[in-house]
Amino acid sequence: EAGVTQSPTHLIKTRGQQATLRCSPISGHTSVYWYQQALGLGLQFLLWYDEGEERNRGNFPPRFSGRQFPNYSSELNVNALELEDSALYLCASSGGQGWTEAFFGQGTRLTVV
Amino acid sequence: GESVGLHLPTLSVQEGDNSIINCAYSNSASDYFIWYKQESGKGPQFIIDIRSNMDKRQGQRVTVLLNKTVKHLSLQIAATQPGDSAVYFCAENNQGAQKLVFGQGTRLTINP
Repeated sequence: EAGVTQSPTHLIKTRGQQATLRCSPISGHTSVYWYQQALGLGLQFLLWYDEGEERNRGNFPPRFSGRQFPNYSSELNVNALELEDSALYLCASSGGQGWTEAFFGQGTRLTVV
Repeated sequence: GESVGLHLPTLSVQEGDNSIINCAYSNSASDYFIWYKQESGKGPQFIIDIRSNMDKRQGQRVTVLLNKTVKHLSLQIAATQPGDSAVYFCAENNQGAQKLVFGQGTRLTINP
C-alpha cells in the first residue's frame, strides 16, 4: 500500500513568486495536515483539511493557503514568497481517527532565493 | 499559550546502552502524546503513543512514560543501535483542537 506522497521533492523559487506543493494521502484517509519544518527546528502546524473543508489553521499569514480536492489530495499554496519561507513542508494524512493512525510523507524542500 | 519543549537538544550514547529522551509540555488539556523519529531527509515516523489515562506504554525496545503531575514525557530506547540515530520529537494533542504541537527535537547519536 502506498504511503503519503508529496510532490515535488525539491522546489526552488525566487522571492515574490508563488509555490504550489501537493500531497496525496494514504488511500482511504480523509484528513490531511500540513506542517512547516524550518532547518534545525521543530514542526509548526499550518493547516488541517478534512472532507474537503479547512478545519483548523496555525499562526501563519494569509499568503499560506490550501485546499483539499474531492479525492482527498491536497495543495498548499504559498504566495509572495519570502526568504524565511524556505523550509521542509510536510504533509500527513489520517483516516478519521485523529493522530492514532496518521502518517507523514517525505516532505517538499522549498528553497526561496 | 501551548508549548512542548525538550530538556536536551542533543544526546550521545554508546551502542548497546539505553537512551532516555525527555520532553516537557505545558498544556494540561493535552490528552494524547506521540513520539516521532525523523531520519535525515525523511518525514517523521511514528514510534509510540500514549493517552493521558495511562502512565506507561511499551513497544518493541521502546517505552514511553507520562507524568501528568509534572507534565513530563519520556522515551526510553533499550539497547540502542546505530539505526536509532535520528532526531526524536515529542508531540502533544488536544483532541478538541485536532492538531499536534511538536517540540523542537532531540538529536540522538550513537557512539560505536
